[in-house]
Amino acid sequence: QKEVEQDPGPLSVPEGAIVSLNCTYSNSAFQYFMWYRQYSRKGPELLMYTYSSGNKEDGRFTAQVDKSSKYISLFIRDSQPSDSATYLCAMSGGGADGLTFGKGTHLIIQP
Amino acid sequence: NAGVTQTPKFRILKIGQSMTLQCTQDMNHNYMYWYRQDPGMGLKLIYYSVGAGITDKGEVPNGYNVSRSTTEDFPLRLELAAPSQTSVYFCASSYSISGILVRVTQYFGPGTRLLVL
Repeated sequence: QKEVEQDPGPLSVPEGAIVSLNCTYSNSAFQYFMWYRQYSRKGPELLMYTYSSGNKEDGRFTAQVDKSSKYISLFIRDSQPSDSATYLCAMSGGGADGLTFGKGTHLIIQP
Repeated sequence: NAGVTQTPKFRILKIGQSMTLQCTQDMNHNYMYWYRQDPGMGLKLIYYSVGAGITDKGEVPNGYNVSRSTTEDFPLRLELAAPSQTSVYFCASSYSISGILVRVTQYFGPGTRLLVL
């Protein structure tokens, strides 16, 4: 069983729709959860991070963590064509040894 | 600040050749990382460093070497290139002055695309 599972998509939605992106994980030691956005041929860009369970909101983006279910989500409201990218979830137990990434979900927002 | 910079952007190597991928950050971050990203896959950690003179292996270190002589630079060395090393390589950095949460929020460079033929 892989540590972090993420549906690669592609996920195609019309402009203005609410987008839901998700990851599941198996390692109960993960305490820190990140979402990165990666445009084609670019490096990942940090979108949001959360610690432990709960919700965090930043503009049109909301991150949710449910540690009891080992499930994290990223919601995008009022989606825009500029949101079209690959979204990577990443997790850490807090150690210095880097992040564990999902494969990424390719999101397409249709104008 | 330029953030994390990587050179070259793209390189073609022949099997058995060697090269060094350069990574520099100007944010005075003490943690630095090297990841590789294969098509349709997430990023895999190759090596990391918690400060100048200190490095450690990640998940996929075979075929690579690193050094960290300064806070700013963290080069990745491929000694005998193999087709399996065809990938996109990302360098990242973070710092821990403000605690663990800051350390896990990593900032990435633009990547180096490597093709081994």
